[in-house]
Amino acid sequence: GAGVSQSPSNKVTEKGKDVELRCDPISGHTALYWYRQSLGQGLEFLIYFQGNSAPDKSGLPSDRFSAERTGGSVSTLTIQRTQQEDSAVYLCASSFGGQGAIGSGELFFGEGSRLTVL
Amino acid sequence: AQSVTQLGSHVSVSEGALVLLRCNYSSSVPPYLFWYVQYPNQGLQLLLKYTSAATLVKGINGFEAEFKKSETSFHLTKPSAHMSDAAEYFCAVSDRPGTYKYIFGTGTRLKVLA
Repeated sequence: GAGVSQSPSNKVTEKGKDVELRCDPISGHTALYWYRQSLGQGLEFLIYFQGNSAPDKSGLPSDRFSAERTGGSVSTLTIQRTQQEDSAVYLCASSFGGQGAIGSGELFFGEGSRLTVL
Repeated sequence: AQSVTQLGSHVSVSEGALVLLRCNYSSSVPPYLFWYVQYPNQGLQLLLKYTSAATLVKGINGFEAEFKKSETSFHLTKPSAHMSDAAEYFCAVSDRPGTYKYIFGTGTRLKVLA
């Protein structure tokens, strides 16, 4: 499809297990973002990619969280040893990140991956 | 540092009434400002954006917002609410020139009463 695709749409896991969330951005978008949406908390910035590089990982909540992007396209967010407080909707967005466009352009969001940690 | 404050986590209006959703921002440089809408079980989609052109910005579905530097505000309005406007609305700010960080508010859930 033409939009941002995220999988799985829903994931239920047990505390302590690892999970991987996948994001397939719009073709040609060089910028990719991960956000976490918790009830009443708005969108929490996690990490941003420009191409395969992540200039700023400061939004990742702990060292249990990591993300990578390969081929300037698909990105994977990995959460190790999940905790109940990790339960949230994880949103991915992409944008045309050409110089001058970053920060001024539209973010295109996927429908999110809802993670529930029991 | 940039920040966004949305006053009112829940707003209810009658169908046909004025919609006013409030957003105040803090930014050390002239900002880019955005409103996004999220319908149930969907991702966010852009309603409108301010990027230093006209201070009154018109968006989709009859929404508009006015950038007021003196009040550091970017409130979203629609003259007449429709049932289909029921959704969650997020204000976001990004510093310019061209940084990558978009900071979102906590959102306002709009309920439209018949």
